[in-house]
Amino acid sequence: KAGVTQTPRYLIKTRGQQVTLSCSPISGHRSVSWYQQTPGQGLQFLFEYFSETQRNKGNFPGRFSGRQFSNSRSEMNVSTLELGDSALYLCASSPGTGGEEQYFGPGTRLTVT
Amino acid sequence: AQKVTQAQTEISVVEKEDVTLDCVYETRDTTYYLFWYKQPPSGELVFLIRRNSFDEQNEISGRYSWNFQKSTSSFNFTITASQVVDSAVYFCALSGGWAGSYQLTFGKGTKLSVIP
Repeated sequence: KAGVTQTPRYLIKTRGQQVTLSCSPISGHRSVSWYQQTPGQGLQFLFEYFSETQRNKGNFPGRFSGRQFSNSRSEMNVSTLELGDSALYLCASSPGTGGEEQYFGPGTRLTVT
Repeated sequence: AQKVTQAQTEISVVEKEDVTLDCVYETRDTTYYLFWYKQPPSGELVFLIRRNSFDEQNEISGRYSWNFQKSTSSFNFTITASQVVDSAVYFCALSGGWAGSYQLTFGKGTKLSVIP
């Protein structure tokens, strides 16, 4: 099976802009989760989507949003970018029935200047 | 709230030495799941093992072994006869057992350097 794919791999944006990141889960997986990784805060949960519904959300401002499509592909959007949004954004997929291991994509490295 | 503590920030060992990475967790759930992930320099998180709260059996997979002890809320990871390829950041993680808690709570990670 193909693994989790994320596009783009690298992105450079300017403060105030918005960005959309994309994630394609493993075939058959219905859950997609997003995580932000920074040197200071480590790995933090952003949100989880299951069957096109947001099932859980982490403690991030409303500038961070996401959605999931009927084919389980997911996008996350960050509006009004701030310097502190520079991070590695990781997408993970799992069957979604609970407690299973999550498989991660290679991540999108976002740099905000 | 769930919490995972990896007290060891960085560890350096000489190749062929054994090394144990510590993980202590906190949760109020009676059903929960524990994980270890490896993050090599390339950046992608690689799944290593999953344990549920009802299964305290230790597990061995090649040079890797895991010791889960509910009494001390610990889930430690041992690499036997370490190799240079084991150099990476290792994360311990915890998730709940009910919908709405499946997200992973990660520790800060332990950076392991294996010196040839």
